[in-house]
Amino acid sequence: AQRVTQPEKLLSVFKGAPVELKCNYSYSGSPELFWYVQYSRQRLQLLLRHISRESIKGFTADLNKGETSFHLKKPFAQEEDSAMYYCALSRHNQGGKLIFGQGTELSVKP
Amino acid sequence: EPEVTQTPSHQVTQMGQEVILRCVPISNHLYFYWYRQILGQKVEFLVSFYNNEISEKSEIFDDQFSVERPDGSNFTLKIRSTKLEDSAMYFCASSVPGGNNEKLFFGSGTQLSVL
Repeated sequence: AQRVTQPEKLLSVFKGAPVELKCNYSYSGSPELFWYVQYSRQRLQLLLRHISRESIKGFTADLNKGETSFHLKKPFAQEEDSAMYYCALSRHNQGGKLIFGQGTELSVKP
Repeated sequence: EPEVTQTPSHQVTQMGQEVILRCVPISNHLYFYWYRQILGQKVEFLVSFYNNEISEKSEIFDDQFSVERPDGSNFTLKIRSTKLEDSAMYFCASSVPGGNNEKLFFGSGTQLSVL
């Protein structure tokens, strides 16, 4: 069965510190991995996806198939990064059906 | 940027009553979805809809649930006889054609409270 695990419910860092939000997945085929973000009182929105290999708002994530991980990283956290972050997986050819992790709340303190 | 619109933002209903949650997807999108999030739990896929029919549904999406695109702009989720455990935030989403890895645009959600 497909599963996404985000082990940390809450991650609290100081401004300027590096951030790593962990995501591990379980899937037997070739997954597509995503990070979605939900800022306070806003809607879920796509932050980045592994196939694009992009950096958005300073965040990057690398798919590590050996470790079945897709950790989200940012070298220097900003206060405006405080939000709920969800890792999600979709099966190949099933782009719209996402399997979400439980989410990690990132709190960046001044 | 265009947005997915959901109404109402909060719906309170009595157990056993029917509710209809409404969504207006982004106008040129062709794939539509419903997800839900019970308080403290994961966001869960309910159903996807394309070309006027359900393309996939989860185990959660039983006979009590139905979806419809009644007029070419709205996309609705109906729960026929609500249960206490249906209390959740319900998210509508839509995406552009393209099949794989399309970016989902989510609405801001309807908080359903079943009393």
